[in-house]
Amino acid sequence: QSALTQPASVSGSPGQSITISCSGTSSDVGSYNLVSWYQQYPGKAPQVMIYEGSQRPSGVSHRFSGSKSGNTASLTISGLQAEDEADYFCCSYAGNNIVVFGGGTKVTVL
Amino acid sequence: QVQLQESGPGLVKPSQTLSLTCTVSGGSIRSGGYYWAWIRQHPGKGLEWVGYIYFTGSAYYNPSLKSRVSISVDTSKNHFSLNLSSVTAADTAVYYCARYIDADWFFDLWGRGTLVTVSS
Repeated sequence: QSALTQPASVSGSPGQSITISCSGTSSDVGSYNLVSWYQQYPGKAPQVMIYEGSQRPSGVSHRFSGSKSGNTASLTISGLQAEDEADYFCCSYAGNNIVVFGGGTKVTVL
Repeated sequence: QVQLQESGPGLVKPSQTLSLTCTVSGGSIRSGGYYWAWIRQHPGKGLEWVGYIYFTGSAYYNPSLKSRVSISVDTSKNHFSLNLSSVTAADTAVYYCARYIDADWFFDLWGRGTLVTVSS
């Protein structure tokens, strides 16, 4: 089971919108609407931002949204803020009780 | 609230077995609907799912590690454990324990992580 593919880095200016892609296969992202997204600050544990493709847990800003098209999931951050500068990881259920993560994307707020 | 805490040696010699424990506090590991997971992160790299276990003892592993990994649960002590055998420097990583919600398919709770270095 290969890792999901994410861009190494994405950047944007405050107030702008950015989108992070997460490319998988028909065996994981394409087969299940079970992609979750995690935000991680340096030296800290990840925390969930989106689950089941587009659901936001309680307490997560509405500026974070998720979507999927085919074998690719996406996380969009609108109204980019300095506090959004962090690493972001996607994760998908891949069947047979297997979970796969993406390589991570570093978001920089210019 | 429920909290997770990893514990175990921070240094393991090559070819030996890495052993870590995750203690669950503030709630019961026997609560249905959750898998108890291990996830690792190599220095400066992405996350890698190692495996997870249900409180009944049913465990599932990353195929790339399956031959070396074992996860067990001790409901009487409210903790679960990871054993990774025949370690090499490539197993040096921060190891996180986490809780995976079965119905919603995501990791909702994480430990702080513990760095394990494989070196002689």
